[in-house]
Amino acid sequence: DAGITQSPRHKVTETGTPVTLRCHQTENHRYMYWYRQDPGHGLRLIHYSYGVKDTDKGEVSDGYSVSRSKTEDFLLTLESATSSQTSVYFCAISIQNEQFFGPGTRLTVL
Amino acid sequence: KQEVTQIPAALSVPEGENLVLNCSFTDSAIYNLQWFRQDPGKGLTSLLLIQSSQREQTSGRLNASLDKSSGRSTLYIAASQPGDSATYLCAVGGGGADGLTFGKGTHLIIQP
Repeated sequence: DAGITQSPRHKVTETGTPVTLRCHQTENHRYMYWYRQDPGHGLRLIHYSYGVKDTDKGEVSDGYSVSRSKTEDFLLTLESATSSQTSVYFCAISIQNEQFFGPGTRLTVL
Repeated sequence: KQEVTQIPAALSVPEGENLVLNCSFTDSAIYNLQWFRQDPGKGLTSLLLIQSSQREQTSGRLNASLDKSSGRSTLYIAASQPGDSATYLCAVGGGGADGLTFGKGTHLIIQP
């Protein structure tokens, strides 16, 4: 157990509304990641962080923003949710180059 | 762009068999390769991490090999059990802050 929690675990929202997902780690690991998992596509990297206020884009970053104001929290924001963002979102941390994943957030955009 | 392919996409075998799952990647300039297990509706559990300088790693009944030059890895499961039923994911990483590039997984069913 790498001490990663995600909130909320499930969310249903409507198109056009803002949504923020939270990832929290209990230790001060430097690297954190957001992925989405979709049938037929597997897991794809959205954004990642290499320190407080240091973030960068991944493969599928359009429509998403992130923030990391303290080491333990990494927030993923959908500024205006679309149906194509219906997915399962996973947060991960890296410990000595091995990645550990949180339990996921299932997001449905109607 | 790195691409990761896993073959087969699905596999069903009787309990007790030894089996091999395959993973291939297009760019051999990787830092490490990681195998995960995912149960339905759950998160990912890390099984094995192989650094690019290593040839294999073992954990219990699991053995993963890496041939970086040919862009291939295999996950060997010995004496399979029904509890091994899950989706197995292969992912490659560039090291440091780099994220992982995943294959689409092999859905494994072990028949009692």
